[in-house]
Amino acid sequence: DAGVIQSPRHEVTEMGQEVTLRCKPISGHDYLFWYRQTMMRGLELLIYFNNNVPIDDSGMPEDRFSAKMPNASFSTLKIQPSEPRDSAVYFCASSLQGVGGELFFGEGSRLTVL
Amino acid sequence: QQQVKQSPQSLIVQKGGIPIINCAYENTAFDYFPWYQQFPGKGPALLIAIRPDVSEKKEGRFTISFNKSAKQFSLHIMDSQPGDSATYFCAARGGYSSASKIIFGSGTRLSIRP
Repeated sequence: DAGVIQSPRHEVTEMGQEVTLRCKPISGHDYLFWYRQTMMRGLELLIYFNNNVPIDDSGMPEDRFSAKMPNASFSTLKIQPSEPRDSAVYFCASSLQGVGGELFFGEGSRLTVL
Repeated sequence: QQQVKQSPQSLIVQKGGIPIINCAYENTAFDYFPWYQQFPGKGPALLIAIRPDVSEKKEGRFTISFNKSAKQFSLHIMDSQPGDSATYFCAARGGYSSASKIIFGSGTRLSIRP
């Protein structure tokens, strides 16, 4: 398997613009997670899905953030409007063994908001 | 109570030395303690994990020591190599097996000098 695939790898945008990050989980993994990594806050869980259904979005920082999983092989994380403090590396991860099982991370999307 | 406290924040060790990374927790319901390794530009990946009924686990040069009464656990890297330079995250699962979320420590940036 190719692993978790994320795109874009790098995104530079201006404040106020809409940003969409994409993720393809490992085939057969029914849990999908979105994390944000910053120097100050480390790895933060934003939201996770089970069988395409959002289960826990308590980590989503604001209403500007939204996530969808229209099918088992695709998820998006959208930020609208973006702000400089959203600059971070966003990781998607998937798991076969449940929400507490081994997490398989993608290589991340580095977002810079100017 | 849901936190995992990790130290040090950064660590520099000469090749062949034994870096030690420490973590502490409060919640006695935590039932699984994984360590993740992250190389620059990559996502974290599971390195080694331990359950609280075991005091030590070794996989190659990596050893987890677990002290249940002190609610502490640590990662030791024997005969460290420059290729071990990475960020290491300790983590804990919130209890009740794979239905609970993984909670990450703040990370330790390890550098092994040649």
